[in-house]
Amino acid sequence: SAVISQKPSRDICQRGTSLTIQCQVDSQVTMMFWYRQQPGQSLTLIATANQGSEATYESGFVIDKFPISRPNLTFSTLTVSNMSPEDSSIYLCSVDFRDTDTQYFGPGTRLTVL
Amino acid sequence: GENVEQHPSTLSVQEGDSAVIKCTYSDSASNYFPWYKQELGKRPQLIIDIRSNVGEKKDQRIAVTLNKTAKHFSLHITETQPEDSAVYFCAASMGFQKLVFGTGTRLLVSP
Repeated sequence: SAVISQKPSRDICQRGTSLTIQCQVDSQVTMMFWYRQQPGQSLTLIATANQGSEATYESGFVIDKFPISRPNLTFSTLTVSNMSPEDSSIYLCSVDFRDTDTQYFGPGTRLTVL
Repeated sequence: GENVEQHPSTLSVQEGDSAVIKCTYSDSASNYFPWYKQELGKRPQLIIDIRSNVGEKKDQRIAVTLNKTAKHFSLHITETQPEDSAVYFCAASMGFQKLVFGTGTRLLVSP
């Protein structure tokens, strides 16, 4: 089966700084997504990463805070900008391999902001 | 937009018992309903899913039922084992691959 990887797996950052998270898939996929999972909580969709165009953000999430790149069909990045302790979460990418609504998740990036 | 409610938030059972987790959704246009299992420190893993043209689906000890009229769907785990202990999330999608997740159920299976 296809492999989804994320870098870094975890990081501890200072407030006011930015972190870029990478998501790599070993096969081409049309749909890639970014989610946030706050401690002990459910998953919330941040945005859909569109190849060749701007990401589509969900309500409550803005491009200035969470810029996303999708340069090709196997790779995407999510940047968490100007971080505050409230940004401490697990950030997960997911992909839909066959455009069937079925999503598979990457291993996640655990972010702690001090 | 879509809203998904999930109950119970925690569920404790004895090994060998059955476990049932229920979810309700708000938008009748939703047509895809996956269930994910998340073990501590791990990624969510898809365990079973159902589409709106099907009322029930089984995979070994796991089954999902869907009632479109009542807008609810349930996960059934039979003959539970300690390795079934995890957090389970339901989700709903209206298409365009946008999943809305429930709040999660922490299942504890005691030996």
